[in-house]
Amino acid sequence: DTAVSQTPKYLVTQMGNDKSIKCEQNLGHDTMYWYKQDSKKFLKIMFSYNNKELIINETVPNRFSPKSPDKAHLNLHINSLELGDSAVYFCASSQAALIAGRSYEQYFGPGTRLTVT
Amino acid sequence: GQQLNQSPQSMFIQEGEDVSMNCTSSSIFNTWLWYKQDPGEGPVLLIALYKAGELTSNGRLTAQFGITRKDSFLNISASIPSDVGIYFCTPGTYKYIFGTGTRLKVLA
Repeated sequence: DTAVSQTPKYLVTQMGNDKSIKCEQNLGHDTMYWYKQDSKKFLKIMFSYNNKELIINETVPNRFSPKSPDKAHLNLHINSLELGDSAVYFCASSQAALIAGRSYEQYFGPGTRLTVT
Repeated sequence: GQQLNQSPQSMFIQEGEDVSMNCTSSSIFNTWLWYKQDPGEGPVLLIALYKAGELTSNGRLTAQFGITRKDSFLNISASIPSDVGIYFCTPGTYKYIFGTGTRLKVLA
């Protein structure tokens, strides 16, 4: 069984379109994340949810809107896609929220490669 | 903003060679985690360090938590082709930051 799954694996779309990426984890974790990996392979946190509540919202354009219908799901909706949004988006989960002095292993999904043309 | 610099950025090595890489920060952290990302996959945890000076092994991997708490080191002994990938360090805490990555390519 896949621990963290994402759909779709690949997404090719045109500028200006709206698209969604779905993520599900079957690990019973409380915390989920979205990361963006750019063409240089740098990984950057975008959002984090703990028990369906947004706890991290980095400097991300408000065209990106996460939604967590329940603890096991965290979806990412992107409006008005731009060329610069092309990247690989990773969903991840951890047992609990990462806090100062305490770390938890993060489990990553396989990634969604978004290409905006 | 906060950045974790990893060195080297990339490396080619011969199969069977030992590999060393490091991660440095301007901030002090209480934990260091090392992840590996295989091509086309998400990162996977390799080793976790919880104490300054700690040395931890996992098979052919050995990681050390720097005594200053601002750095960490990862060594891979007797590299094999499946070691190919990107190695990331992270303090694994609320900073949520990952290092710039070391891209390892093994020549068979």
